[in-house]
Amino acid sequence: QKEVEQDPGPLSVPEGAIVSLNCTYSNSAFQYFMWYRQYSRKGPELLMYTYSSGNKEDGRFTAQVDKSSKYISLFIRDSQPSDSATYLCALEGTGANNLFFGTGTRLTVIP
Amino acid sequence: GAVVSQHPSWVICKSGTSVKIECRSLDFQATTMFWYRQFPKQSLMLMATSNEGSKATYEQGVEKDKFLINHASLTLSTLTVTSAHPEDSSFYICSAEPDRLVYGYTFGSGTRLTVV
Repeated sequence: QKEVEQDPGPLSVPEGAIVSLNCTYSNSAFQYFMWYRQYSRKGPELLMYTYSSGNKEDGRFTAQVDKSSKYISLFIRDSQPSDSATYLCALEGTGANNLFFGTGTRLTVIP
Repeated sequence: GAVVSQHPSWVICKSGTSVKIECRSLDFQATTMFWYRQFPKQSLMLMATSNEGSKATYEQGVEKDKFLINHASLTLSTLTVTSAHPEDSSFYICSAEPDRLVYGYTFGSGTRLTVV
């Protein structure tokens, strides 16, 4: 079983839709939860970072963490064509070199 | 702040030659940098952890003699792919951790290596 499971998609939505991206994990030791956006042939860029259960909002993006269910989500409101990219969840436990990535979900927002 | 610059962004080389990829932290010091490899439509796979002033730590299955890592200063780490072969063609990305609570892990823009 992989440490982090993420539906690879692809996911296509019309412009303005609400997008829900999800990851599940098996190791309760994960303490830090991140979402990255990666455009084609570019390095990942950090979108959201959180370390507690609950919601964190930043503009059109909301990160949700449910540690009891080992489930994290990223919601994108009023999606735009510029949001078309691959979204990676990343989870980290305590200690060094303990960062695990999901496989990424490829999102296309259609104008 | 917290920019990681990676160079070159793409490179094509002949089989058997070596290629060096540079990763620089532009506005912070990085005692540790990370090197990842990413195949098409797959996630990032950690290859090694680069430590300033000491030997790199390689993940299981990564050939240390093939992927030479040097972290000679607090702002520069290099990855050299030696005697490259077509199967080494991939997207290589470096990252550093300027301030976990603020920036998480910051990634370079990646290097696409094609070995012909």
